[in-house]
Amino acid sequence: DAGITQSPRHKVTETGTPVTLRCHQTENHRYMYWYRQDPGHGLRLIHYSYGVKDTDKGEVSDGYSVSRSKTEDFLLTLESATSSQTSVYFCATSTTGVSLYEQYFGPGTRLTVT
Amino acid sequence: EDKVVQSPLSLVVHEGDTVTLNCSYEVTNFRSLLWYKQEKKAPTFLFMLTSSGIEKKSGRLSSILDKKELFSILNITATQTGDSAIYLCASANAGNNRKLIWGLGTSLAVNP
Repeated sequence: DAGITQSPRHKVTETGTPVTLRCHQTENHRYMYWYRQDPGHGLRLIHYSYGVKDTDKGEVSDGYSVSRSKTEDFLLTLESATSSQTSVYFCATSTTGVSLYEQYFGPGTRLTVT
Repeated sequence: EDKVVQSPLSLVVHEGDTVTLNCSYEVTNFRSLLWYKQEKKAPTFLFMLTSSGIEKKSGRLSSILDKKELFSILNITATQTGDSAIYLCASANAGNNRKLIWGLGTSLAVNP
């Protein structure tokens, strides 16, 4: 498995505060993704990156921004957290070659916005 | 709009039963279909299927893809309580920056 860590693993924050989640990988994978997972909605892509400084929006990007200044780190920022952003957030990575579609997931961050 | 539909949404069986999980897809420029298992944590990769009719097998789990009828099945034989999980199906299409299109998952509960 890819070495993917997420921090923090749990966070409780108040509505209106900015929050940054970090994803760190040690596998030198080019592609990185941020998902949120909610009951009844499955995994939904927030943003993804196809290289350093190359990012694009996913299907639920409103209220989120990302940055990738190094291959190993992909940051997700909730600019002003809302209760609707309470969710479990997963980071994933993928590489090139024969396994190009396989995504490897981090352990997740449980975020609660009160 | 591309979509992946899994059925059933949930399933309860007894240990030793055989189960079949279904995944249908409508995706432009289809390339591969992937299965993941999610216990109380992150999804973990099971199979990737690219060619029609070729079964992939890992222990008691097997999967096959039908590109004509646009579906895949995941079979689990002699189920165990440790098979209890959500099983996710995802489709990959070409030219999409490796983004996957995910189904909602099938929640499987195996009772002793």
